[in-house]
Amino acid sequence: ETGVTQTPRHLVMGMTNKKSLKCEQHLGHNAMYWYKQSAKKPLELMFVYSLEERVENNSVPSRFSPECPNSSHLFLHLHTLQPEDSALYLCASSQRAGGQGHQPQHFGDGTRLSIL
Amino acid sequence: KQEVTQIPAALSVPEGENLVLNCSFTDSAIYNLQWFRQDPGKGLTSLLLIQSSQREQTSGRLNASLDKSSGRSTLYIAASQPGDSATYLCAGGGGSQGNLIFGKGTKLSVKP
Repeated sequence: ETGVTQTPRHLVMGMTNKKSLKCEQHLGHNAMYWYKQSAKKPLELMFVYSLEERVENNSVPSRFSPECPNSSHLFLHLHTLQPEDSALYLCASSQRAGGQGHQPQHFGDGTRLSIL
Repeated sequence: KQEVTQIPAALSVPEGENLVLNCSFTDSAIYNLQWFRQDPGKGLTSLLLIQSSQREQTSGRLNASLDKSSGRSTLYIAASQPGDSATYLCAGGGGSQGNLIFGKGTKLSVKP
């Protein structure tokens, strides 16, 4: 499925670097999400955007900074990361955020991030 | 706070077997229950979504059920094939933003 595209697929960076992850969805959805998937842990929701406004921030450290310039694009800006931030970062989208009803989330293939 | 548990963590079966993957959740006030498949190095592929008002959903060889009163969902895979080998994740949707709370997954291996 190419509805949600994430770049880069792999990223290796030092703790002092600044980089950005990009997500683009071609599904006409209005909500986008960032998740973190670490080894041996469930997927953790990081951020939710609905109609380009942040509606949820799950106590994520400030070294992760999201940006949603429009409903099709979502970025995750990274700076001064720690080794424990190494993980697979997944982006998802859905027709809308919140509420009941049919709200399947569609995921990208993720960015595998390694912090040296 | 919603917690989702999946049992077993790993499962290995011979090809052709029918199998059941289990998912339990602590808060019955979920909006929906979604099952995903994740292949190594890949993102999640949505398999089935059951709304809170529904009891089950079917897609091909897959059947998912939802029992909110007992806090359980099961994913039934009929006539398993090696191509079914993957990690299967369940997630409960709820909260003010309908956020998904995930289990750790069941890693399925189907041997030819």
